[in-house]
Formats: sequence, structure tokens, C-alpha cells
Amino acid sequence: AQSVTQPDIHITVSEGASLELRCNYSYGATPYLFWYVQSPGQGLQLLLKYFSGDTLVQGIKGFEAEFKRSQSSFNLRKPSVHWSDAAEYFCAVGAGVNFGNEKLTFGTGTRLTIIP
Amino acid sequence: NAGVTQTPKFRVLKTGQSMTLLCAQDMNHEYMYWYRQDPGMGLRLIHYSVGEGTTAKGEVPDGYNVSRLKKQNFLLGLESAAPSQTSVYFCASSSRIREDGRSYNEQFFGPGTRLTVL
Repeated sequence: AQSVTQPDIHITVSEGASLELRCNYSYGATPYLFWYVQSPGQGLQLLLKYFSGDTLVQGIKGFEAEFKRSQSSFNLRKPSVHWSDAAEYFCAVGAGVNFGNEKLTFGTGTRLTIIP
Repeated sequence: NAGVTQTPKFRVLKTGQSMTLLCAQDMNHEYMYWYRQDPGMGLRLIHYSVGEGTTAKGEVPDGYNVSRLKKQNFLLGLESAAPSQTSVYFCASSSRIREDGRSYNEQFFGPGTRLTVL
């Protein structure tokens, strides 16, 4: 069974500083990996995804993530955060519909606070 | 396009009452999902559907029922609400996307329904 761990429940970063949110997954084959963002009182929005090819993927809002198979990780990064990045971030893993599995498994989320 | 919409946005129930949450999508997606979100638990899948007329259990299905009579709608029912069902409920929909010889689905989420059971 697939699983996702986000070890950091809450992270506080100064505006303009760099950011890295950690995500570790467990899955037997090559996973489909996603990062979603949830602003307060809103639904989830897809930031970026990885399923094959270049291990460094670019997403919206200046975010990027790097897939490292050897470490079973898919960490999210941003060089310089803005106050509007304050939100909750979820990592998710899927098996891909080729295997008849249309489900995603989500991590417990990391809440990001930005301080001036 | 409205995307994924959910009705109602807020609801307060008493223990034992029943209600139905409605999810609608206008993207012609095949797959639809119901999640609940609780503090520190992330999103947990309740039920999902891979097509009109089909439903399947997710991770936490007990106490809930679903129906997918029309492709664009996915209903979540609570027959006898319990305080443990106090949560924020999210609906999502997706379709199969094929890239580089592989298929995956990208889920689009609704804004959520905040349910309190007293």
C-alpha cells in the first residue's frame, strides 16, 4: 500500500527567505507524486506533479520539487517566499490509472506561516 | 466553467439527523471522490466513483453512503449523524490524462463543506 509522510507539521519562514517542505513516500513502483496547496477556507489547488522524466519539476507560483528515488522523497522548494504563500501544503502519491488505481493518498499536511 | 461546486457550504446537525451533501462538476470528469479533512489527519478518502452508476469504498466509509446517478453529480449521505462526523468535507473530480505513454489522474477540488454535528 502506498503512504506519504510529511514530517513537519508547522514551519515558520521569514518573507523573502527560501523554503523547503519535506515529503517522503512509500510505494513499490514509480509513483505519481503531487503537491497541493490549500489557502485558509479554500479547497486544494495543484501546485505541481511528477510521474516520469526530469526529476526536477516546476510548478505554479514559483514552486519546484525534486524527485529523489534513492531517498523516496519529493521535497517542495521555493527560493523566496511571499506573504501570500502562507497556507497548508499537502503531498500526495498515486499509483496511476494504468494499474486500475484512481486514488491518491495524502500526507497530513504542513502548515506554512510567513513572518515579516 | 464553475469547476467543482459543493452544496451546502456550512451545516449544523444534531446527533441522529440525516443529510445529503451535493457535489457537482462541469468538466465531464469520469472520476469523483469524497474526502474528509480533520486536524492533523490530512485528507482521508470516504468513497469514490469511477463512473456513472458505480461507487467504491475508500479509507473511512463507515457511516456514509454515496450515489452517482448522473455523471456530473456525486452525493454523500449521512443517515444518522454522529459527533465524530464533524469535519470539513471535500469533493474532487478527475479524468484520465495520458502523457508520455503513462496515464494518471489530476484531481480538482471543490471549496468544501464544513459540517458540525452536535
